[in-house]
Amino acid sequence: NAGVTQTPKFRILKIGQSMTLQCTQDMNHNYMYWYRQDPGMGLKLIYYSVGAGITDKGEVPNGYNVSRSTTEDFPLRLELAAPSQTSVYFCASSNRVGTEAFFGQGTRLTVV
Amino acid sequence: GIQVEQSPPDLILQEGANSTLRCNFSDSVNNLQWFHQNPWGQLINLFYIPSGTKQNGRLSATTVATERYSLLYISSSQTTDSGVYFCAVGGWAGGGNKLTFGTGTQLKVEL
Repeated sequence: NAGVTQTPKFRILKIGQSMTLQCTQDMNHNYMYWYRQDPGMGLKLIYYSVGAGITDKGEVPNGYNVSRSTTEDFPLRLELAAPSQTSVYFCASSNRVGTEAFFGQGTRLTVV
Repeated sequence: GIQVEQSPPDLILQEGANSTLRCNFSDSVNNLQWFHQNPWGQLINLFYIPSGTKQNGRLSATTVATERYSLLYISSSQTTDSGVYFCAVGGWAGGGNKLTFGTGTQLKVEL
């Protein structure tokens, strides 16, 4: 039972480069989320999706883009990477409102 | 949005001791989860507990939704309990089952 799978686990980017963080879930969950965690802090919501083709901004969306073409996949795109985007990124999914969310193992991103 | 406060921010225990972690939130919720973030950074689901009481081995949790707080109890602590404990809540406003995280309690269990 894979749950929520994120790739890659680690990545170093140079300032100005772009990349896509991949997230896939095999639980047939409708809702998916991207969070970031800065050192010593809790997680903050970047973007979320309530179903294929529907996405919305969270608390800290600037510098990121998302798409949701299938129920399973929710990639996060970083354009023009900046040092402020150095963080650990977590993808999560849940079935519907008021249900338990499950998290992937995280992607540690460093922008230099 | 909902505000989440956790206390204490840091806690050092001797192995075998008991502890209580607290989570206060500012509005009514439809979701409350406790997580343990281990030293490798993984987020481990401990409890899904928007109300009531649950127990899992040495850990238990209680949420009093009407008074807007939740407690996580750790009994007979072990060194493997070390890490950061997060409370996260989901509110009724805004949709999407979004979770708002507290800043966590950093727990260190020593021999």
